[in-house]
Amino acid sequence: DVKVTQSSRYLVKRTGEKVFLECVQDMDHENMFWYRQDPGLGLRLIYFSYDVKMKEKGDIPEGYSVSREKKERFSLILESASTNQTSMYLCASSLQGSEQYFGPGTRLTVT
Amino acid sequence: AQKVTQAQTEISVVEKEDVTLDCVYETRDTTYYLFWYKQPPSGELVFLIRRNSFDEQNEISGRYSWNFQKSTSSFNFTITASQVVDSAVYFCALSQGGSGNTGKLIFGQGTTLQVKP
Repeated sequence: DVKVTQSSRYLVKRTGEKVFLECVQDMDHENMFWYRQDPGLGLRLIYFSYDVKMKEKGDIPEGYSVSREKKERFSLILESASTNQTSMYLCASSLQGSEQYFGPGTRLTVT
Repeated sequence: AQKVTQAQTEISVVEKEDVTLDCVYETRDTTYYLFWYKQPPSGELVFLIRRNSFDEQNEISGRYSWNFQKSTSSFNFTITASQVVDSAVYFCALSQGGSGNTGKLIFGQGTTLQVKP
C-alpha cells in the first residue's frame, strides 16, 4: 500500500511566522506535489518535484517555496504566513506517468 | 489549454438510487489520462480509476462504472444503488500523456454527492 504522510493534520500559526509543512512517501515515487484546496476553487497546484533537488512552479507558487533534499520527503515552506494562506494543504506522490496518491491533508489556519 | 468541467456542484439522492457524475474535459493532446478521485469527509483524496486516451472501453468495479467517450470529451462516473458511505466530494482530473507527461493533474471543481438514508 502506498502511504503518504503529512506532519500535522491541524496547524495554527500567526501572521508573519515561517511555516514548514512536511510530506513523506514510502513508495520510492519520483514525483511529489503540493496542492491547496479552498471552497469553490477546488485543488490548485502550488509546486511539484520530479526528482531530488528539482522543483517546478505550479499554478499558484507566490508566497511559497519548497525543498526536496531526499526522494521521500517534500517540504512546503511559507516564508511569512499570511491570513490568505489559511487553507487545506494536500501532498501527493506518484510514479512517472501514473496516478497520484494523496496524504491526509493539513488544515492550516493563519491568525 | 487543458480544462476539466464538472458542471454538477452538488447532487443529493436517496439511498439505493443510481447517480451519474458528469465530467467533460478539454485538451489538445492526443495522449492523455483521465482520473476520478473520491474525497470523503475525512479529507484524504482516494484514487478510484485511471483511464488512458486510447482505451475507450467502459469499466465496472462493483457498484462503480465509468463511461469514457472521446467523441463528446466526457468521462462520466455512475454509482449504482448508492449508499450513505458514498457521500463525498468526487473529483475528475486530466493529465498529459506521452513523453511530455509531468504527472501534473488538472482537476475539475468537484461534485459533492450526498446520499440520504
